[in-house]
Amino acid sequence: QQPVQSPQAVILREGEDAVINCSSSKALYSVHWYRQKHGEAPVFLMILLKGGEQKGHDKISASFNEKKQQSSLYLTASQLSYSGTYFCGTAGSISGAGSYQLTFGKGTKLSVIP
Amino acid sequence: EPEVTQTPSHQVTQMGQEVILRCVPISNHLYFYWYRQILGQKVEFLVSFYNNEISEKSEIFDDQFSVERPDGSNFTLKIRSTKLEDSAMYFCASAIQGAYSPLHFGNGTRLTVT
Repeated sequence: QQPVQSPQAVILREGEDAVINCSSSKALYSVHWYRQKHGEAPVFLMILLKGGEQKGHDKISASFNEKKQQSSLYLTASQLSYSGTYFCGTAGSISGAGSYQLTFGKGTKLSVIP
Repeated sequence: EPEVTQTPSHQVTQMGQEVILRCVPISNHLYFYWYRQILGQKVEFLVSFYNNEISEKSEIFDDQFSVERPDGSNFTLKIRSTKLEDSAMYFCASAIQGAYSPLHFGNGTRLTVT
């Protein structure tokens, strides 16, 4: 089942912060975050596997609230290079047979301007 | 760093023709995926493949589609009789531990059906 992302789009000035949210109506077992620049493939940012987990590198971090079935991606002191579309992906099984695939949300388009 | 490679980068075909999209996943990865992205839209799951068989497939992946791992390195997506609505970017991805490990995406094949 497709996770829901918000906001759909955000425009930031360099140095500003942003939060992108990802929520699911089903229990979340893992949450992935990817960034896709125009005309390129999605690039892995981070994966959260446990409720309460928080991760980050450079000025991008994420949290995972298992109870609320949601994850948030935090971008602080944004840089021009942060521009792109951010996708969250949640692991789920279509068949219920125990195998999993990643389903992506519709994406959040982030534009950082000077 | 090892990467997923896809060929061709762009394929133009006429409606009704068969196309084969090729991918070489990262060599020690065991899980393989095809996703597609219609221009400006979300990344949609098509199929996952593990242990030489399909493990999950979406409703998009109907009888027109098939996947194969003909040898130890290639992973192919075949569309038997292309339709206009099959025009999209097709991404191959691979992972070590399925949806609980990062997905590494290839650069995609842009399929244009005329």
